[in-house]
Amino acid sequence: DAKTTQPNSMESNEEEPVHLPCNHSTISGTDYIHWYRQLPSQGPEYVIHGLTSNVNNRMASLAIAEDRKSSTLILHRATLRDAAVYYCILIRLTGGGNKLTFGTGTQLKVEL
Amino acid sequence: DTEVTQTPKHLVMGMTNKKSLKCEQHMGHRAMYWYKQKAKKPPELMFVYSYEKLSINESVPSRFSPECPNSSLLNLHLHALQPEDSALYLCASSQSVDGYSNQPQHFGDGTRLSIL
Repeated sequence: DAKTTQPNSMESNEEEPVHLPCNHSTISGTDYIHWYRQLPSQGPEYVIHGLTSNVNNRMASLAIAEDRKSSTLILHRATLRDAAVYYCILIRLTGGGNKLTFGTGTQLKVEL
Repeated sequence: DTEVTQTPKHLVMGMTNKKSLKCEQHMGHRAMYWYKQKAKKPPELMFVYSYEKLSINESVPSRFSPECPNSSLLNLHLHALQPEDSALYLCASSQSVDGYSNQPQHFGDGTRLSIL
């Protein structure tokens, strides 16, 4: 599976936008980019995914570089509840369900 | 509130005990997963079931035995575990069409297992 590289930690102030980067230079043409987050004492939670085009949903936006070697998860207005570990994951479809290989992720700290 | 329910939330067992972890979902998902997460580490995939058949086993020791009795239920049977097996065990599910799924995985909040 192709690997992703993320910063270990980032900090943000509440109400400000947050840009979480992810490098995936060995991505293949059929790999989807998924983002999950894990709040303390909870299971991971799906955030967003995309293939080539930028994507928006109620939680976040995903900006994908034209060469697909990097992507950025954008939280438009961080809140204290967004403090979590954010995982960028590449998924290649297989015939037996999809296989999430979590990297070390980015610990996001949000301050008042 | 999560749509994937795991029981029990906490489990303490001795190395000679036999116990089972249970996972249930009623979203009609046909792919179900077990993950193991050690403290301050990312989750690691253990098993994948697709249409009630085991499709991926990530070389997990035989003291962990998964079972998928129907499309809503996933069990993980535990026997003769070691102290290093103490971890958070997470269950997840996703939609699957003909075994292929790019749909998000929905996770439960896990069972925290301690081996004495």
